[in-house]
Amino acid sequence: GDSVTQMEGPVTLSEEAFLTINCTYTATGYPSLFWYVQYPGEGLQLLLKATKADDKGSNKGFEATYRKETTSFHLEKGSVQVSDSAVYFCALSSAGGTSYGKLTFGQGTILTVHP
Amino acid sequence: NAGVTQTPKFQVLKTGQSMTLQCAQDMNHNSMYWYRQDPGMGLRLIYYSASEGTTDKGEVPNGYNVSRLNKREFSLRLESAAPSQTSVYFCASSVSQYEQYFGPGTRLTVT
Repeated sequence: GDSVTQMEGPVTLSEEAFLTINCTYTATGYPSLFWYVQYPGEGLQLLLKATKADDKGSNKGFEATYRKETTSFHLEKGSVQVSDSAVYFCALSSAGGTSYGKLTFGQGTILTVHP
Repeated sequence: NAGVTQTPKFQVLKTGQSMTLQCAQDMNHNSMYWYRQDPGMGLRLIYYSASEGTTDKGEVPNGYNVSRLNKREFSLRLESAAPSQTSVYFCASSVSQYEQYFGPGTRLTVT
């Protein structure tokens, strides 16, 4: 079945540091890939997505590139801020052309950014 | 727009009690989902409803039932709660396979 593996956390960085959170996946067919973010006490929000190989998703300074050859979708940001402190989830959807998507999530990575 | 709303926000149950978690969305989405979130395990799909009138099991359906009451509402029922069902429950909805919108969650403790 489908699975998503994220780097173990938690990750602690100083403000303006470079961020990478690794994500690799196993799936049949051609899944869509997502990064969701969960701020303290809230539900998940979509951060960015990529729907086919070599697509780059980007939002709020975060980027991730869909690499089919390495089955990876690593999240990067050049300069993190304290407000980026949250839990980040990598996910995939193997909807197979249907109009809905059952998401498979990684275990989440806690990011804490210090001033 | 309120988006996806869930009630209650917090609940404490004793083993064996029953309860229903409510979810509603006002975005006219066809598909709705229930997930549970446990530490170190990400979110796991309990049940989903691809469209009004249909429901299907997800990864961890045992001990739960669902009802898609209408297009807006999708409820999750625990008939006989167990400590293993202590978790945070999230409802989500979507109009396509590319993005799901999540509610704020219900934190459930079963003692």
